[in-house]
Order: sequence, then C-alpha cells, then structure tokens
Amino acid sequence: SAVISQKPSRDICQRGTSLTIQCQVDSQVTMMFWYRQQPGQSLTLIATANQGSEATYESGFVIDKFPISRPNLTFSTLTVSNMSPEDSSIYLCSAGHLNTGELFFGEGSRLTVL
Amino acid sequence: QKEVEQNSGPLSVPEGAIASLNCTYSDRGSQSFFWYRQYSGKSPELIMSIYSNGDKEDGRFTAQLNKASQYVSLLIRDSQPSDSATYLCAVRGDYKLSFGAGTTVTVRA
Repeated sequence: SAVISQKPSRDICQRGTSLTIQCQVDSQVTMMFWYRQQPGQSLTLIATANQGSEATYESGFVIDKFPISRPNLTFSTLTVSNMSPEDSSIYLCSAGHLNTGELFFGEGSRLTVL
Repeated sequence: QKEVEQNSGPLSVPEGAIASLNCTYSDRGSQSFFWYRQYSGKSPELIMSIYSNGDKEDGRFTAQLNKASQYVSLLIRDSQPSDSATYLCAVRGDYKLSFGAGTTVTVRA
C-alpha cells in the first residue's frame, strides 16, 4: 500500500482565484492520478500525472483549467485555476503501481468556491 | 472511461445478514477489478482486488468474478454496523480505473 498526504484538506476560495493542491506519497509509485468527487457522486478522473512531462487529461478537463505537475515519483500538484462555484468539489490524489493496478487515495481536499 | 454499473441502492440489511453488491462492466478486455469502501466524508479505501475468475475471500468479504458475464460482486458476511458505507466497484482498463456510481449499504442494528 501507499500512504498519501494531501494539503490543504479544505479551503474556501473566492471566485476567480486559483488554488494549488499538493500530494505527497510515502513510497515510489508508478502511477499518480487526480480525481474529482462531487457531493453524492462517484469519482471522475481528471488526469494522469506523468513524471517529468505533461499530464494526460480526460475528456472535459483541460490543462489551462487544471494544470498538473509531477516533478518526481512521489510528489504531484493540481491547480484549480480561475475558480467558479461549479469547481466546488472534493479533489482526490491517488497513487499506485502499474503491475497490480491497485490505487490508494489521499484524504482529499474539499474546495468551496464562493 | 469505460462503463461500470452497480446495483442501485441504498441497500439496507440487518446486522448479521449477508450484503450482496453487484457490478457489471462494458470493457471485455478488463483484467483487474477492485472494491473500495467509502465512509461518509472520507476518501475511498481499497478492500478487495480480484484478477481471476472465481471467488476470493478476505475475512468477512468475498469477491466473485465472472469475466465471461462481465460481472463482479462483493459479499459481506455477518454484516456489522461498521460496514455501513458506500461501496465502489472499480475496473481497470489499460492503466486507469473506472468507477461505478457506488452502492450505499446501511446495516441495521
């Protein structure tokens, strides 16, 4: 397994601002992903964080809105840019190994945009 | 992302009973299957992984996989109030996981 630390755990932000969420894994992992979970909904994959290169985004998510970095195997950031109330959600960092496919999740960052 | 469907909930079971959760998936090439438990206000927690047809048991949990029918299930035996949570089925296609909508289980004391 992997222990994943995310921060901030929650934040309240003003419309039009940006927030960066940090994710730190306690061991070297092959894969890192960012998910979003709206209240009462399941998980939606935002992007795959690729080490040292541009993230791979899912349909409906773009780099200008959700820039992602992964400078090494154990650390990644997700920025939510130019926020609107529709971005209010829980953002989850996940990490795991390619061979097993098992993914582990951080505690999440609950974002409220006013 | 590939389609993953779970039986609609919520599912209410009495303490000590068996809770049965079902999941179907659309990508016939999927090879890895997972069940996550998510308590209210918490992040998902991996409870079972299954890769081969048949049953896999871990304590009170049993996962069942039938790739021909594109079906995976989770049985919770001797359900306890602490099992009350939302259970998410996840299926791996290429290298990413697709999640079902989840089934909320309530265990009545």
